[in-house]
Amino acid sequence: GAVVSQHPSRVICKSGTSVKIECRSLDFQATTMFWYRQFPKQSLMLMATSNEGSKATYEQGVEKDKFLINHASLTLSTLTVTSAHPEDSSFYICSARWGEEYEQYFGPGTRLTVT
Amino acid sequence: AQKVTQAQTEISVVEKEDVTLDCVYETRDTTYYLFWYKQPPSGELVFLIRRNSFDEQNEISGRYSWNFQKSTSSFNFTITASQVVDSAVYFCALSEGGFKTIFGAGTRLFVKA
Repeated sequence: GAVVSQHPSRVICKSGTSVKIECRSLDFQATTMFWYRQFPKQSLMLMATSNEGSKATYEQGVEKDKFLINHASLTLSTLTVTSAHPEDSSFYICSARWGEEYEQYFGPGTRLTVT
Repeated sequence: AQKVTQAQTEISVVEKEDVTLDCVYETRDTTYYLFWYKQPPSGELVFLIRRNSFDEQNEISGRYSWNFQKSTSSFNFTITASQVVDSAVYFCALSEGGFKTIFGAGTRLFVKA
């Protein structure tokens, strides 16, 4: 099956700094990638959808200037949390799909802790 | 607008019991996909099943079975003879129009030995 990786798997950063999370599709070209955020004991909430070469589409309530998404190639999307605060601490999961396929392939997630 | 409801927040069973996880969805599209995912404590989502809106056949995979009823907009998941390793959070999800996938709130399943 299709494999999606995320790096890093865990990251701890200080308040006010920025952190970048990478999402890669290892064996397929991802025309669309999605970024989700999951707070403890809660569901996955879609943050944004990005298509290769285009600007990301953010869900309502998600600050695009705080969560910068770049989908520069068909195999890589990055999420940068700028000026991170403790309330940004969460589990961030990316997923990818190709073409018109409905199925998304999920990465293993990145646990961000902001101190 | 699409919506997925998993009314059961937590379920606790004893090993070998059967358990059914409920999922009710809302969509205006005639073409959509439904999914079930398992999320163990590690956090990584494990894909269990995908069902499209035109296929109402129930499916069985080992101890897992799914009941898709369009008439009631439900896509329930049953684990037969539950095991401790089944303990996890289970998410039902809906994708319409080939775009974003919306997840239900999840059901946390505890299987006690």
